[in-house]
Amino acid sequence: QQPVQSPQAVILREGEDAVINCSSSKALYSVHWYRQKHGEAPVFLMILLKGGEQKGHDKISASFNEKKQQSSLYLTASQLSYSGTYFCGTEALDFGNEKLTFGTGTRLTIIP
Amino acid sequence: ETGVTQSPTHLIKTRGQQVTLRCSSQSGHNTVSWYQQALGQGPQFIFQYYREEENGRGNFPPRFSGLQFPNYSSELNVNALELDDSALYLCASSHSGQPTDTQYFGPGTRLTVL
Repeated sequence: QQPVQSPQAVILREGEDAVINCSSSKALYSVHWYRQKHGEAPVFLMILLKGGEQKGHDKISASFNEKKQQSSLYLTASQLSYSGTYFCGTEALDFGNEKLTFGTGTRLTIIP
Repeated sequence: ETGVTQSPTHLIKTRGQQVTLRCSSQSGHNTVSWYQQALGQGPQFIFQYYREEENGRGNFPPRFSGLQFPNYSSELNVNALELDDSALYLCASSHSGQPTDTQYFGPGTRLTVL
């Protein structure tokens, strides 16, 4: 089953912070975050593994709450280049046939 | 290091025809996954190939089939095309197909079925 992302869309001014949530009904092994700009391929941001770790680089970080099967992506002091659609991809703990299942997407627009 | 490449970039076909899409994996990667991305949606997993064997399949009918070659490049074949097959087809390569692996996406092939 497809993970659900919220919000569906958000508009921010440059410098503001954003949080994007990803929620699954399945027990998860890993959560992958990608950003896709219009007409381009998804670009890998980070991966989080079962164990509730938090990762980050630069001003983008993420957390994974395995008890709730939820992950959140945090973008601080957003830049114009952060605009795009963010997808979470989940790998279920049962390592079934589905492999990476992507969420519904969150469209982020950063305005000057 | 060469990234993931796909060909062709765009393709227009009519209903009932067959199509073959190609993907070259990133150097050092032995796993290729194929995804279908409809407009405004997230990528949907079609199947994955690991060392020339199918290693997982999503909820797609048998008319979607694939191959992986000894050099780990891959093909996606779709028979009896339907209008709903119109989408961006993405391939992604990874080091070993493990759930902890990062998948690197190619630029995609935009398929339009008329």
